[in-house]
Amino acid sequence: ETGVTQSPTHLIKTRGQQVTLRCSSQSGHNTVSWYQQALGQGPQFIFQYYREEENGRGNFPPRFSGLQFPNYSSELNVNALELDDSALYLCASSLGGARADTQYFGPGTRLTVL
Amino acid sequence: DQQVKQNSPSLSVQEGRISILNCDYTNSMFDYFLWYKKYPAEGPTFLISISSIKDKNEDGRFTVFLNKSAKHLSLHIVPSQPGDSAVYFCAASGVSSNTGKLIFGQGTTLQVKP
Repeated sequence: ETGVTQSPTHLIKTRGQQVTLRCSSQSGHNTVSWYQQALGQGPQFIFQYYREEENGRGNFPPRFSGLQFPNYSSELNVNALELDDSALYLCASSLGGARADTQYFGPGTRLTVL
Repeated sequence: DQQVKQNSPSLSVQEGRISILNCDYTNSMFDYFLWYKKYPAEGPTFLISISSIKDKNEDGRFTVFLNKSAKHLSLHIVPSQPGDSAVYFCAASGVSSNTGKLIFGQGTTLQVKP
């Protein structure tokens, strides 16, 4: 069974640029959730994709967007990067959709915005 | 508004003794609770969960207790081992959220001394 994978591991961008982060869900899982973890904080929910549709969104501006593909892998796109976007971005997969379920996390992508 | 709180930023225990990590929540609509462990440079690893219909769940050395009236949960690790040293996050979810999104606490750093 393959776990959740994310790419790239690390990324450095400058203010105003755009970035795309990628996630492959665990085998058999149809739901992907994205979280942002700032230093010293717990992860914060960005949004969730269930069967290729956005299924809920946290308190993040529209410049954070995403996609889910037919194989349930997912992308997180962030436009017009700001310094405060520097964080660890975590992807989690689950079987739940709208149902509360255990989410399994990938190793994360560390984004640094200069 | 911090709906899930871990008021102890750090905890230090001796190997072989019990570690007790605490978590409080404010939203009475939460009905599913999880504990994750996180090592540096890795994503959170699922440890154990509990549904609100239960007040205790055990898995090996890990036991989670839920006190719904106090809106409090705790994770007991017995016996503690040096490999348990990590950051522990509690998370909560509610069916009413429509996403199964997880709300995380700020984390507690556990150090188990040999």
